[in-house]
Amino acid sequence: EDQVTQSPEALRLQEGESSSLNCSYTVSGLRGLFWYRQDPGKGPEFLFTLYSAGEEKEKERLKATLTKKESFLHITAPKPEDSATYLCAVQAGGGYQKVTFGTGTKLQVIP
Amino acid sequence: DTEVTQTPKHLVMGMTNKKSLKCEQHMGHRAMYWYKQKAKKPPELMFVYSYEKLSINESVPSRFSPECPNSSLLNLHLHALQPEDSALYLCASSQDLQRKETQYFGPGTRLLVL
Repeated sequence: EDQVTQSPEALRLQEGESSSLNCSYTVSGLRGLFWYRQDPGKGPEFLFTLYSAGEEKEKERLKATLTKKESFLHITAPKPEDSATYLCAVQAGGGYQKVTFGTGTKLQVIP
Repeated sequence: DTEVTQTPKHLVMGMTNKKSLKCEQHMGHRAMYWYKQKAKKPPELMFVYSYEKLSINESVPSRFSPECPNSSLLNLHLHALQPEDSALYLCASSQDLQRKETQYFGPGTRLLVL
């Protein structure tokens, strides 16, 4: 069974204090690993899709990396508007496989 | 444009009511999804449509009835719901089920069952 574990559950940072969120996964044949940002009461907002180990993608202050067992979401010099819950999800290969979500990391950036 | 729209934004209904949630996308995506999300939990898959046909039903109770009238629209008909069905209902779409494709989510409908 596919499993996704995100850590930490919650993270509080000062504005400008860089850090990383972790997503560990177990899946038979990774088709894709997805990062989403979700604000309270809103739908998840797509950030990145990573397909293979060694791949990296960047967007503004965010950078996602992927290894064979985990993914990191690096946040450089965060701002208060980066406060949200960050969800990691994986999809296995081999025909249609549903996406398995982690429980998320709730990030709070203090001014 | 990666927009998925959902209406209504909020819905309050009694346990004897019948209501419908609507979802629309104009990205040419041929796979559409309904998810349910409870507070502080990840989204939970309910249904998957592929080329307007129901492909996956994750053992959802029959009081939830999905419908895909065309490739751009997805409905979720609600009847005789229970208070525990109160949640954020999310619609998502992806290009199809076979490629390495990302799912794009709508803003959700916040449902309260009294």
